[in-house]
Amino acid sequence: DAGITQSPRHKVTETGTPVTLRCHQTENHRYMYWYRQDPGHGLRLIHYSYGVKDTDKGEVSDGYSVSRSKTEDFLLTLESATSSQTSVYFCAISETGDQETQYFGPGTRLLVL
Amino acid sequence: GNSVTQMEGPVTLSEEAFLTINCTYTATGYPSLFWYVQYPGEGLQLLLKATKADDKGSNKGFEATYRKETTSFHLEKGSVQVSDSAVYFCALIIIQGAQKLVFGQGTRLTINP
Repeated sequence: DAGITQSPRHKVTETGTPVTLRCHQTENHRYMYWYRQDPGHGLRLIHYSYGVKDTDKGEVSDGYSVSRSKTEDFLLTLESATSSQTSVYFCAISETGDQETQYFGPGTRLLVL
Repeated sequence: GNSVTQMEGPVTLSEEAFLTINCTYTATGYPSLFWYVQYPGEGLQLLLKATKADDKGSNKGFEATYRKETTSFHLEKGSVQVSDSAVYFCALIIIQGAQKLVFGQGTRLTINP
């Protein structure tokens, strides 16, 4: 257990509404990541963080923003949700001494109607 | 660019059968390679990894060998169990700022008793 929780675990929302997903870690790891998982695409990196207030874009960042105001929390925001953002969202963490090994949270299933 | 291609699924086998899930990659240089496993309703877990050519990663009876000449990292197990039913992801890691995982599309494995 890598001490990662995600909230909410399930959410249904309507097109055009803002949505924020939270990732919380108890390990004090430096690196945190947000992925989305879609059939036929595996996992794709949305954004990542390499420290408090230090974030950067991943492969599929359009329509998403992130914030990290403290080490333990990494927030993913959909400013105006669209149906194409229906997906399962996973948070992951890795430590400075072993960035290669990422530990994943349980996921958030988001449905945008 | 950097990419990972896995064999198409789903794969269905009987218990105690031999398993191979093919994975090939395209990358600049020689990245570390990984297999992650996702059990139903859970996040991804690292199954095994190899960091350089000819390395063999192994865990829980699964093995994969880093083949530079064929750019492959096929997952094998000699005798599968019902409990191995899951989705398996091959991945490589790239260094662009932070170290980022690039995943294949995943292969769903079902083992029948």
